[in-house]
Amino acid sequence: NAGVTQTPKFRVLKTGQSMTLLCAQDMNHEYMYWYRQDPGMGLRLIHYSVGEGTTAKGEVPDGYNVSRLKKQNFLLGLESAAPSQTSVYFCASSYPPGLAGVGEQFFGPGTRLTVL
Amino acid sequence: AQTVTQSQPEMSVQEAETVTLSCTYDTSENNYYLFWYKQPPSRQMILVIRQEAYKQQNATENRFSVNFQKAAKSFSLKISDSQLGDTAMYFCAFMKPRRYNNNDMRFGAGTRLTVKP
Repeated sequence: NAGVTQTPKFRVLKTGQSMTLLCAQDMNHEYMYWYRQDPGMGLRLIHYSVGEGTTAKGEVPDGYNVSRLKKQNFLLGLESAAPSQTSVYFCASSYPPGLAGVGEQFFGPGTRLTVL
Repeated sequence: AQTVTQSQPEMSVQEAETVTLSCTYDTSENNYYLFWYKQPPSRQMILVIRQEAYKQQNATENRFSVNFQKAAKSFSLKISDSQLGDTAMYFCAFMKPRRYNNNDMRFGAGTRLTVKP
């Protein structure tokens, strides 16, 4: 049982390049999330999904797109990377509240992205 | 919008002593959920403790306990018998009630805790 995994762990991009971060979970969770973590700001929600085929915007969605084609995977895309997107990106997943516990989120190990 | 404030950017404690981390939040909701997450140098986010707002009893998990003051919108974390392995960033988080059906969670900026030998 791997929990939540993220690929890649590190990446360096040049301004204007594109890339996709992959998140996978094997806990059969309905909900999945993408966060970014910047120094002094905690984690901020980028996009989330409450089920296969659905996505929604979070607190800081600009410059990112997501897709949830399969229940176990949640992809985060950067179409044209900017230096302001240099950050550590975390994926998380959870059950809906009430199904098992209060819906606490389980996190992946993070991806450190640097945009030059 | 919900906001979460952690007013202590950094704290330190001697091994075996007790330390309390502060967290306040702002919301107009009545039923919600609060969490403390730990992030050690490995960067992995680890759930420490959770509290449901409709429960008056403070949550406890081994050496970790909370002081939940709903009227004051305060949710502090107490770590007893501090251990070197407790050295980490600690994040307080607020999650919206079930009826929103999205588990939208907002985090504070974090408190960096160092346990000294």
